[in-house]
Amino acid sequence: EAGVAQSPRYKIIEKRQSVAFWCNPISGHATLYWYQQILGQGPKLLIQFQNNGVVDDSQLPKDRFSAERLKGVDSTLKIQPAKLEDSAVYLCASSSNKGYDEQYFGPGTRLTVT
Amino acid sequence: SQQGEEDPQALSIQEGENATMNCSYKTSINNLQWYRQNSGRGLVHLILIRSNEREKHSGRLRVTLDTSKKSSSLLITASRAADTASYFCATRLKAAGNKLTFGGGTRVLVKP
Repeated sequence: EAGVAQSPRYKIIEKRQSVAFWCNPISGHATLYWYQQILGQGPKLLIQFQNNGVVDDSQLPKDRFSAERLKGVDSTLKIQPAKLEDSAVYLCASSSNKGYDEQYFGPGTRLTVT
Repeated sequence: SQQGEEDPQALSIQEGENATMNCSYKTSINNLQWYRQNSGRGLVHLILIRSNEREKHSGRLRVTLDTSKKSSSLLITASRAADTASYFCATRLKAAGNKLTFGGGTRVLVKP
């Protein structure tokens, strides 16, 4: 079974630029998550999708972050404009049972904002 | 502050020794999960323990849950160098729409 795929793996941008991350979850997984993990901390949930609907985006900085999950499969997370404090690893995860059970994580995208 | 707080923040042991780390949380949970993260394999699920369970085993891993104390522990027996990683507890909260909330992690170094 193929795992969660993410791209790119690394990205370096200057502040005020925009960036987009892509995620392809495990086939058949209805629930998809985006997490932000700052160095030395645990992952923080940014947004959770159930199919193509948003379940929780309470911690998403909506003035600069946006996410979509078209057709309930792939998802993109965008930051526009980026700030220095957005430097982090962005993790995508998916799960099958409406999110009640274990989550499977992708390798992450390491973003550096200079 | 985060829902799950791991203790200690860092742990250094010799290969073959046991490693124990603890997780405390504040509100009622549906389940508690432990994850491992290292540079090679990213974040990987280890064990899920439900609120009505007290102990679970998986290979060299043993997890306990005490809901009266709102705490959990992860024991790694006969540690190996490959166990070097950060370990996170994550709680699925009843009051937060079953959102999974991660703690800050315990960084474990197993010296050969």
